[in-house]
Amino acid sequence: DAGVIQSPRHEVTEMGQEVTLRCKPISGHDYLFWYRQTMMRGLELLIYFNNNVPIDDSGMPEDRFSAKMPNASFSTLKIQPSEPRDSAVYFCASSFGQGAGYTFGSGTRLTVV
Amino acid sequence: AQSVTQLDSHVSVSEGTPVLLRCNYSSSYSPSLFWYVQHPNKGLQLLLKYTSAATLVKGINGFEAEFKKSETSFHLTKPSAHMSDAAEYFCVVSDLPGGYNKLIFGAGTRLAVHP
Repeated sequence: DAGVIQSPRHEVTEMGQEVTLRCKPISGHDYLFWYRQTMMRGLELLIYFNNNVPIDDSGMPEDRFSAKMPNASFSTLKIQPSEPRDSAVYFCASSFGQGAGYTFGSGTRLTVV
Repeated sequence: AQSVTQLDSHVSVSEGTPVLLRCNYSSSYSPSLFWYVQHPNKGLQLLLKYTSAATLVKGINGFEAEFKKSETSFHLTKPSAHMSDAAEYFCVVSDLPGGYNKLIFGAGTRLAVHP
């Protein structure tokens, strides 16, 4: 298995632009998570899905952020409009079952200028 | 609510000496606990996990951790540090009740290994 695949690896965009981050989980995993990592706040859970259904989005910072999982093999995290304070590394992770450890993707480093 | 506290933000050791990264957890039930490692500019990798089986858990790269319920601790150890162990380490607890599979991360401990 290729693991959790995220794209792009790096994204530089101008303030106000729409940004879409993509994630392909490991085949067969039924949970998918989006995390954000910054120096100031560490790792924050933004949202997670179980069987493609959003379960907990309480970590989504504001309405500018949205996430979808149209099928078991694909998820997107969209920021519209983007702001400089959104600059961070965004990780996607997937797991199978409850209490299981996650497999993380390599992350997308987002820079909003 | 479940939480983890990593007692040291930075740990520095010499190559070949033991490593101890400390973690205390708070949970109202028997939790699942994990250690993850993140090398610079990389994603997070699972080192080991405890899920109510043996209290001494062995992981990859010679790391191990012991679950001590009486002390609510899950410290990570390695007998002999290697230069390649320099990274950030996260202690993690799983938020299981209510059907969640939500992992709660500690703030991290940065391990430096000196020659």
